[in-house]
Amino acid sequence: QSALTQPPSASGSPGQSVTISCTGTSSDVGGYNYVSWYQQHPGKAPKLMIYEVSKRPSGVPDRFSGSKSGNTASLTVSGLQAEDEADYYCSSYAGSNTYVFGTGTKVTVL
Amino acid sequence: EVQLVESGGGLVQPGRSLRLSCAASGFTFDDYAMHWVRQAPGKGLEWVSGISWNSGSIGYADSVKGRFTISRDNAKNSLYLQMNSLRAEDTALYYCAKDTNLGIAAPNFDYWGQGTLVTVSS
Repeated sequence: QSALTQPPSASGSPGQSVTISCTGTSSDVGGYNYVSWYQQHPGKAPKLMIYEVSKRPSGVPDRFSGSKSGNTASLTVSGLQAEDEADYYCSSYAGSNTYVFGTGTKVTVL
Repeated sequence: EVQLVESGGGLVQPGRSLRLSCAASGFTFDDYAMHWVRQAPGKGLEWVSGISWNSGSIGYADSVKGRFTISRDNAKNSLYLQMNSLRAEDTALYYCAKDTNLGIAAPNFDYWGQGTLVTVSS
């Protein structure tokens, strides 16, 4: 159960797009279409933004999109807004009733 | 309105035990799996344990297997985490999280509590 690998930081100007990668193995990201993404603002609980690779919960703007290729999943935030500045975590089912989070990426809106 | 309220955290010495509770309201508790997720100060999220709607499926992170026990009481709309043989590295904010599914094979955490802080130190 090693943490999934994410870049420590990413940034973009308002209106631009930013893409965050999440690299795992064939035992987690590559083996299941159960990748989720969470947004966490400082001092707050995480919020589900994407589930099952590319599905958006009700209320999440369509500026947020997810995809997966092989052992790497990605989250893209289009049309960056100031309120998108937060930490983002990917996660994946890892088999045998276990689950693993990514290392986290801090997104800065320049 | 869905509410998850954790309790039971505090300062505890290494090797001792602590029991966390999560009181759920605003949804049909026994229709959903539940999980514990922790976050060490200034660090990332770590999934700790999950339990299916009927306690039939349970999973643990390797880091806590054999020391922590998850349980639920559907009659009381409550989730628990019994933590034994605590270590300094267990120091974290412990979140209770609701799953979107009955089982824990495809977990998505759509509601989270505000967390309860566990500090393991002598």
